[in-house]
Formats: sequence, structure tokens, C-alpha cells
Amino acid sequence: SQQGEEDPQALSIQEGENATMNCSYKTSINNLQWYRQNSGRGLVHLILIRSNEREKHSGRLRVTLDTSKKSSSLLITASRAADTASYFCATDASRDYKLSFGAGTTVTVRA
Amino acid sequence: GAGVSQSPSNKVTEKGKDVELRCDPISGHTALYWYRQSLGQGLEFLIYFQGNSAPDKSGLPSDRFSAERTGGSVSTLTIQRTQQEDSAVYLCASTGTPTGGNIQYFGAGTRLSVL
Repeated sequence: SQQGEEDPQALSIQEGENATMNCSYKTSINNLQWYRQNSGRGLVHLILIRSNEREKHSGRLRVTLDTSKKSSSLLITASRAADTASYFCATDASRDYKLSFGAGTTVTVRA
Repeated sequence: GAGVSQSPSNKVTEKGKDVELRCDPISGHTALYWYRQSLGQGLEFLIYFQGNSAPDKSGLPSDRFSAERTGGSVSTLTIQRTQQEDSAVYLCASTGTPTGGNIQYFGAGTRLSVL
């Protein structure tokens, strides 16, 4: 079952702009992860934020987590054409180490 | 190997035929997952192997789907009597110790087309 739901489904921005996408989920989690998928490829892990963390940075990526609202956001700053991809949030909500993935946000960065 | 390897990368088959998809996880990773991704959709969990424990098959959509993992390494996902609705990308992922936060490493997937 898909616990995470990303919003928006698709996003088109100009190179250099920031891209923000959101993820909402339903149950308590151990951690939340963001993955990127380039067309025709597998998913690549970007960042993990634990349930007791509120914000995390990695390069041009900034992730926030609000457990009271059961939501997370991924911000990509100063976007590049290479950031064009689909982005998925995945929640780790159980002790059996399964992740629940949302349907993803497709980001297109225009040159 | 350096990463998760899946083969074949593409598979076209006729309805009713059986197919086998292979996943070679990262060496030393004890956990292995299979997912299905339909066009424009998220990942649907299929099956999970952890070490020598009994696999979690709760995501397999029907008894036409089965998977095995030999020697705690290579895994094969078998779909019998394929149907057109089986057309999708099948992704495999592996992970090391779950205490690391269960970060999963994915292969490039097998794109299955059932005609």
C-alpha cells in the first residue's frame, strides 16, 4: 500500500529556480526518505530524515519533517537540468523494514 | 558487485508464457526487495527476503508470482502464465543492516512487456 503521497504530481521550473515538493503520510514513522529516479533507471537514495529530526540538508537539498502534520517537504535549490527526474518519498513505518513509496513528483527543469 | 544488477533489462513476452527476472544484490547485503512500478506510478511492494528468514510474500498479487533467493544472494522473480496487466518495470533493491535506516539500493529494473 502507498502511505506517502507527493504533491504536486508534476512541476516545471526554469534552471536556477528552486523546486519544492511535499509528501504526506498516514501513520507514525521511524524515518522518511527521498529518492530520485531518472527516466528508465532505478531509484537513487537522496536523503533520510529520522522521526526525531525536523530539518536536514545535503548539498542543494533541504528536507523538513513535521510529524504532527505527518508531512515532509523536499526543496531543491538553484535547480539544474540534471535535476530533471521523478522524486519519491518513502516512509519506514514498521519494524519489518519495508518502505512505502508514494506515486512521485515529476520535476522538469527547463534550460 | 558495485551495485545491484538486474537482468534482462527488457523482456517482451507473449501472454501465457512464463518469465524469469534476475536480481544480483550488492555483495554482503542481507535484505532484498522486489517492487513493481507501473507507468507513472509509485512502487508496489512484492516480496522481501531477509537473511535466512522466511520471505515476506505479502505483496505478491497472485499465485502466478513467486520468488526465490538462493544462497542468500541472487534472487529470481518468476511470473507464470503472464497477463497483459503484468506489464511493468520490476525493480529489485538490497540493503545492508536495517539499523542504518533501511536505505535501499536499487537496480535499473527489468521492463516487462506482455503482448
